Amino acid sequence: DGGITQSPKYLFRKEGQNVTLSCEQNLNHDAMYWYRQDPGQGLRLIYYSQIVNDFQKGDIAEGYSVSREKKESFPLTVTSAQKNPTAFYLCASSKGGVYNEQFFGPGTRLTVL
Amino acid sequence: AQKVTQAQTEISVVEKEDVTLDCVYETRDTTYYLFWYKQPPSGELVFLIRRNSFDEQNEISGRYSWNFQKSTSSFNFTITASQVVDSAVYFCALSFPGYSSASKIIFGSGTRLSIRP
Repeated sequence: DGGITQSPKYLFRKEGQNVTLSCEQNLNHDAMYWYRQDPGQGLRLIYYSQIVNDFQKGDIAEGYSVSREKKESFPLTVTSAQKNPTAFYLCASSKGGVYNEQFFGPGTRLTVL
Repeated sequence: AQKVTQAQTEISVVEKEDVTLDCVYETRDTTYYLFWYKQPPSGELVFLIRRNSFDEQNEISGRYSWNFQKSTSSFNFTITASQVVDSAVYFCALSFPGYSSASKIIFGSGTRLSIRP
């Protein structure tokens, strides 16, 4: 089955530690995205990538980093510079372009203790 | 500036009632796309519908219908004869060309819909 996988579903980390969230897709999509969702709020774009080895900052990129070495993979690192990292993180992919819908993974809930 | 407003934070209705979720958007672009997504308790967003700015035809899919009106910048979503399985958070989103070829999409804050048995 084609889709997007994110791991782990729940993640706990101590304050000051970097943590990497995994996102893999087998939909052969060019574009991939990372969003952050806080309670009662919509999705905010962290980073996006249109093609391999290229990515752009979204609206709230500070304290985060990404890489896109393979078409299928778009890992997100939450660094210690992110002041309030506890949130629900969603990865998505699409064929690219503004007209195509995005397909979402199941999300990773990160809690920083 | 581009913006999506979902003024209804939470809605609760009894099963079998009809319910309408409101979405109002702002954009200066003449070409744009509107989407509705459903987020069930599992967390994964599911795509429901896409509408481009040049197509104002309403759409019906089973119990779901969408009303797009450019005159009022609204793209409302109606569920007829609601069911408990419709309980979820629903997001309206706006996509526009932006300043580069990259895909830009803005999500509303979502409406939490609860269907009571």
